[in-house]
Amino acid sequence: GDSVTQMEGPVTLSEEAFLTINCTYTATGYPSLFWYVQYPGEGLQLLLKATKADDKGSNKGFEATYRKETTSFHLEKGSVQVSDSAVYFCALTGANSKLTFGKGITLSVRP
Amino acid sequence: DGGITQSPKYLFRKEGQNVTLSCEQNLNHDAMYWYRQDPGQGLRLIYYSQIVNDFQKGDIAEGYSVSREKKESFPLTVTSAQKNPTAFYLCASSRGQEPATQYFGPGTRLTVL
Repeated sequence: GDSVTQMEGPVTLSEEAFLTINCTYTATGYPSLFWYVQYPGEGLQLLLKATKADDKGSNKGFEATYRKETTSFHLEKGSVQVSDSAVYFCALTGANSKLTFGKGITLSVRP
Repeated sequence: DGGITQSPKYLFRKEGQNVTLSCEQNLNHDAMYWYRQDPGQGLRLIYYSQIVNDFQKGDIAEGYSVSREKKESFPLTVTSAQKNPTAFYLCASSRGQEPATQYFGPGTRLTVL
């Protein structure tokens, strides 16, 4: 079945550091890929998405490129802020249109 | 403002009691979902509903029940048969044409004592 693998966490960075969070997937067909973010005590919010190979999703300074050859959708940001501290989930939808989530990774940004 | 509301935010129950979690949306979305979130495990799908009066089991439906009598509402009952009910429960909804883009409520943290 479909699955999403995220790098182990937590991740702690200083403000203005470069961020990369790895995500790889296994799916049949041509899934759509997503990054969701969960701020403390809240539900999830869609951060960005990509629906086909080589598409780049971007939002709030975050970017991720759909790489079919490496089955990856790594999240990047050039300069993180304290307000980016949250849990980040990579997810996909396959042929059944249901979301499959990775385990999530906690990002903490120090001032 | 449109959105999804879940109530209450925190809920405490004694072991052996059934409890119902509320989820309401005013986004006019056709589909609604319930997820369970446990530390280090991501989100797991409990039940989902694509239209009124119809719903399907997700990956971990045992010990839970739902109803979908109105488009706006999708309550989840955690029954006494659920062996480990303490968790964070998230409700979501989506448009029929875009099932993958889901909008989440703020969640309910259930603690069974």
